[in-house]
Amino acid sequence: GAGVSQTPSNKVTEKGKYVELRCDPISGHTALYWYRQSLGQGPEFLIYFQGTGAADDSGLPNDRFFAVRPEGSVSTLKIQRTERGDSAVYLCASSAGGWDTEAFFGQGTRLTVV
Amino acid sequence: KQEVTQIPAALSVPEGENLVLNCSFTDSAIYNLQWFRQDPGKGLTSLLLIQSSQREQTSGRLNASLDKSSGRSTLYIAASQPGDSATYLCAVSGNTGKLIFGQGTTLQVKP
Repeated sequence: GAGVSQTPSNKVTEKGKYVELRCDPISGHTALYWYRQSLGQGPEFLIYFQGTGAADDSGLPNDRFFAVRPEGSVSTLKIQRTERGDSAVYLCASSAGGWDTEAFFGQGTRLTVV
Repeated sequence: KQEVTQIPAALSVPEGENLVLNCSFTDSAIYNLQWFRQDPGKGLTSLLLIQSSQREQTSGRLNASLDKSSGRSTLYIAASQPGDSATYLCAVSGNTGKLIFGQGTTLQVKP
């Protein structure tokens, strides 16, 4: 696609529910990143995929968070037993791979846990 | 642990002024530095990417410099316009491309 696409753009869920957030990277981009941004803060790294594998998941806050990228393209961030503290904007970025390539971000999914 | 700091947190200037946004990082072992723009409720738009071997990059009215040894970068905006009003984020990366962000500088340019 022309850019990184994230769906849904907004998600409101009740505390304790399960949610899935989707990211469609730029076609051909092998690297995919998930970040979380709280109000007034810079984005914080969650997880990085190179191809299908999670090369670095050190930013996932706990075992309620999980992400997959089964075919090396679309990725899904999954959050179990959501808590009010999970409310934030979840951003996805992709790049052609390699340390010298530019990262392109999607518009984000605003998650609100009530 | 890499930490990125941006000063000031907020800035308000009249239209036409030249301005400088500052970014500092604690670990000089970076591979590149990127400056992003974020409009309210939107994602991030990449403005400039400076590789660790470079000293500066320019795009239109924007110029970003990098002093890796001192852990500093600046974003210079010439002849500011109201449309430049946004939050500007600085981020550094290592060899995986994983970005560590500062908290951003929120800029308001008044007509």
